[in-house]
Amino acid sequence: DTGVSQDPRHKITKRGQNVTFRCDPISEHNRLYWYRQTLGQGPEFLTYFQNEAQLEKSRLLSDRFSAERPKGSFSTLEIQRTEQGDSAMYLCASSLIAGNTIYFGEGSWLTVV
Amino acid sequence: SQQGEEDPQALSIQEGENATMNCSYKTSINNLQWYRQNSGRGLVHLILIRSNEREKHSGRLRVTLDTSKKSSSLLITASRAADTASYFCATDASSGGTSYGKLTFGQGTILTVHP
Repeated sequence: DTGVSQDPRHKITKRGQNVTFRCDPISEHNRLYWYRQTLGQGPEFLTYFQNEAQLEKSRLLSDRFSAERPKGSFSTLEIQRTEQGDSAMYLCASSLIAGNTIYFGEGSWLTVV
Repeated sequence: SQQGEEDPQALSIQEGENATMNCSYKTSINNLQWYRQNSGRGLVHLILIRSNEREKHSGRLRVTLDTSKKSSSLLITASRAADTASYFCATDASSGGTSYGKLTFGQGTILTVHP
């Protein structure tokens, strides 16, 4: 069990550029979650997958955001045409099934300049 | 939206003292989880307590849950400087007793333990 792994840990990008974050969940965890956290706030739910199916998306996830989990293992979160308001830490988490402990990764910091 | 409300927002204590943080929430839950976050880092899971449980212990941590008051508390005994971090409660909301596995966090309590 190597924990939830996220890459890159830090990303600085210019406004208008696209960025992609990758998450590798704990092996055999069939649920995978994405959250966003801004300074001084608690994390906010963005979306989650059960295996490869994306089951729920928050209204926070605008059309510029897309998440995939093509083979039910790793996931990617892409932000297109980044805006300064997208600056935040993007956290990935995974769990075996609902109702169980949800484990988080170290997060990917995004700074849009 | 933030369901959980942690209290206090900040807590400063001396090493060896106990620290108590409270969390209130609004809707029925399946479970409640407490996390620790060191500055700039990810979340570390501390304890999960289910809606049919009232108290759980893990090492120096004690968590209570009162579903009638929609509140939980986290007690850290004999605190250490290394306990300095932000602490969050997160609720797994439910409808009809089904867990969605989706957490709603409060704004957290910033704990500072002075050596």
